[in-house]
Amino acid sequence: EDQVTQSPEALRLQEGESSSLNCSYTVSGLRGLFWYRQDPGKGPEFLFTLYSAGEEKEKERLKATLTKKESFLHITAPKPEDSATYLCAVQEGNYQLIWGAGTKLIIKP
Amino acid sequence: EPEVTQTPSHQVTQMGQEVILRCVPISNHLYFYWYRQILGQKVEFLVSFYNNEISEKSEIFDDQFSVERPDGSNFTLKIRSTKLEDSAMYFCARTGTGGRGEQFFGPGTRLTVL
Repeated sequence: EDQVTQSPEALRLQEGESSSLNCSYTVSGLRGLFWYRQDPGKGPEFLFTLYSAGEEKEKERLKATLTKKESFLHITAPKPEDSATYLCAVQEGNYQLIWGAGTKLIIKP
Repeated sequence: EPEVTQTPSHQVTQMGQEVILRCVPISNHLYFYWYRQILGQKVEFLVSFYNNEISEKSEIFDDQFSVERPDGSNFTLKIRSTKLEDSAMYFCARTGTGGRGEQFFGPGTRLTVL
């Protein structure tokens, strides 16, 4: 049973076209929810941590939000350099990360 | 925050051979992790290492895997007898200095088992 589910699997947008990526989770006792960016052949790059429902974090064109069952990564007016796979991961009582399969984002100029 | 460095960047080996993957922290952190990512699949937790001891390990981390910090600096993952299905990217990660749970990843080692 998947504990972390990301949707959509892939998303193609035109440059400047805003959208949102979803991460739903079913773990109990959430310690934290993390968003990462991964470029092909590279390690995940840390973006945000969210700890409690209602929390929001922003960085440039990205904004992450958290509810009790899901998180959204909103991307505003994206640029081609935002193209990457965006990964969501959660922590329960211990420190290991449980990962979603990611959303592959492609921004066309 | 600086991450960790990993060597080699790519390792090709024959099935049944032993491989050692290395992780070198930029600064003196206590908490480290190994993850793997098979091509096109999810990142999977292998093991966490705290203060020179294994803290947690997953079902994937069976007897063919081991971790060490042999010289107090480098942090190694050894696979004793590689199988074809061990082919993957292996990532080392460390926690941030804030201690809030964020993990910072190295560039990874691509392991190819032939």
